[in-house]
Amino acid sequence: DVKVTQSSRYLVKRTGEKVFLECVQDMDHENMFWYRQDPGLGLRLIYFSYDVKMKEKGDIPEGYSVSREKKERFSLILESASTNQTSMYLCASSPGGSTYSGNTIYFGEGSWLTVV
Amino acid sequence: RKEVEQDPGPFNVPEGATVAFNCTYSNSASQSFFWYRQDCRKEPKLLMSVYSSGNEDGRFTAQLNRASQYISLLIRDSKLSDSATYLCVVEFMDSNYQLIWGAGTKLIIKP
Repeated sequence: DVKVTQSSRYLVKRTGEKVFLECVQDMDHENMFWYRQDPGLGLRLIYFSYDVKMKEKGDIPEGYSVSREKKERFSLILESASTNQTSMYLCASSPGGSTYSGNTIYFGEGSWLTVV
Repeated sequence: RKEVEQDPGPFNVPEGATVAFNCTYSNSASQSFFWYRQDCRKEPKLLMSVYSSGNEDGRFTAQLNRASQYISLLIRDSKLSDSATYLCVVEFMDSNYQLIWGAGTKLIIKP
């Protein structure tokens, strides 16, 4: 079974703090993703990475950065947390190349971030 | 207009009933379609892919109507455990690959 592990399930941070959300996958997947999910909105892609040290902006990258130093690990960084970044953050991984499709994505359990 | 739209619900349905909901998409170049299930405060998990000819998996039937640009999910003999939010996902490629997620339809099955 594919396992995607997000290090923190629930966090409360203060405005202006630097926040790290860590994600690890154990299936040697090339692709990794960070999404946020808010009520009434579909999952929105923040960043994705298709290889080590590679990253691409998604639909809402502003206020976020990412790091992928190892294939299995993809970190999301909020340089200066703001209240409008209160949300559920979902990490996902998938195989790369032609095998990547909407039915090959595996999610972590999610990280609930509250910025006060 | 949102690219993928779903009725947010909730749909309150008695156990054993049949329930169906739709998902409309705006991009006619959409190629593939999926239904995911998401339990409260959990991650989305793939329920089923949607094929052009329609497909069935046990009590679940998914259909695609390209002419009217919607997909549907039908659940027969609903169980309490079917209570969840069902997310519609549309995949297409134009200048680059895109996967667009609907906001989900909440389903509550009542005893």
